[in-house]
Amino acid sequence: QVQLVESGGGLVKPGGSLRLSCAASGFTFSNSYMSWIRQAPGKGLEWVSYISSSGTTVYYSDSVKGRFTISRDNAKNSLYLQMNSLRAEDTALYYCARERDYHMDVWGKGTTVTVSS
Amino acid sequence: QSALTQPPSASGSPGQSVTISCTGTSSDVDSYNYVSWYQQHPGKAPKLMIYEVSKRPSGVPDRFSGSKSDNTASLTVSGLQAEDEADYYCSSYGGSNNLVFGGGTKLTVL
Repeated sequence: QVQLVESGGGLVKPGGSLRLSCAASGFTFSNSYMSWIRQAPGKGLEWVSYISSSGTTVYYSDSVKGRFTISRDNAKNSLYLQMNSLRAEDTALYYCARERDYHMDVWGKGTTVTVSS
Repeated sequence: QSALTQPPSASGSPGQSVTISCTGTSSDVDSYNYVSWYQQHPGKAPKLMIYEVSKRPSGVPDRFSGSKSDNTASLTVSGLQAEDEADYYCSSYGGSNNLVFGGGTKLTVL
């Protein structure tokens, strides 16, 4: 079945780095646009980043631009989010999702990132 | 990019209809027919309920419907059922390669 499974979350100190992964299965990953969306504890959803099917086009929210890097490996059916210079406000549950025309039709269960000293 | 504005809560009795609003600006909701709605139960991932203002994905009951007028989008849930109790989020393309979400509405089935 169509599935996205995130991993790589954890506890990191402010200023530290973390790399999230998202493994896709059950659909043609290489033809799919993908995004990362996060949800701070008890808060709403926030779009973080987008990547085109080939990986040549990427976009970021202003809150993470210059600190986060989205990438993908279509041979491995995998999506990544490299997060550097992490701040307390980056603490959230991070979801990867398949995007189609500005809506997310498949979501993973998320991986938790906690930034704290 | 500012978040879209949703009421924090909404409620209705079983069988009734409830409408949740999502107010944006001329730069997002009013400019694009790319409004989506997501349902999120506690501890679960969001689920797409409506896309492109009023389209329903396969498997979503037709009790859920979406509409838009100017800078305000709406989600209507008809024939409320207990399992509809959840948080609902709207989103819209905001131009400049940006996607914005609403703050969420907690729907309570009385």
